[in-house]
Amino acid sequence: DADVTQTPRNRITKTGKRIMLECSQTKGHDRMYWYRQDPGLGLRLIYYSFDVKDINKGEISDGYSVSRQAQAKFSLSLESAIPNQTALYFCATSDRTEAFFGQGTRLTVV
Amino acid sequence: QKEVEQDPGPLSVPEGAIVSLNCTYSNSAFQYFMWYRQYSRKGPELLMYTYSSGNKEDGRFTAQVDKSSKYISLFIRDSQPSDSATYLCAINQGSNYQLIWGAGTKLIIKP
Repeated sequence: DADVTQTPRNRITKTGKRIMLECSQTKGHDRMYWYRQDPGLGLRLIYYSFDVKDINKGEISDGYSVSRQAQAKFSLSLESAIPNQTALYFCATSDRTEAFFGQGTRLTVV
Repeated sequence: QKEVEQDPGPLSVPEGAIVSLNCTYSNSAFQYFMWYRQYSRKGPELLMYTYSSGNKEDGRFTAQVDKSSKYISLFIRDSQPSDSATYLCAINQGSNYQLIWGAGTKLIIKP
């Protein structure tokens, strides 16, 4: 089984719909992250959490929200999806050095 | 100016060539330098991790950090088609700081 599991792997949704991306990890790390990846822009941090009670905005948090349900679970929500949120989304977990990524969720907003 | 600059490529080289991938950065406080490799439709995976200046070698891969020039490099010797991937540099000031990512360079090794 993968260390970091993201669901769904692919999703097409309509503008204005609410959507949730889920992430679970088995590494036992406290730190979890949500990134989006766009061609030519690399990985941009949306939100991060250093433990269950700690949630922090990243560089592009507008239009997104998160929930840290447990040490192992960190979900990302788009309250009202818009087309420029079409991207590849990655969840990650880390210790103090190495980050471990999920397989990604390809989200298309039409 | 971005904190970390990386040419997105693509960089196409023949099998067996030596590959040089590079990033420049602007913040002299950065101390930890990483290279991640990302295959198509996969998440990034850590390839090399270095602290401060100098070289680190792991098989066919060498990571080099020049803090005076704010320049980091990843060299791949005897490149193989299986090395075809996107290579991302990632840098931070310490474990309590966020990783700052380069845009990633797409590398294509032609058989």
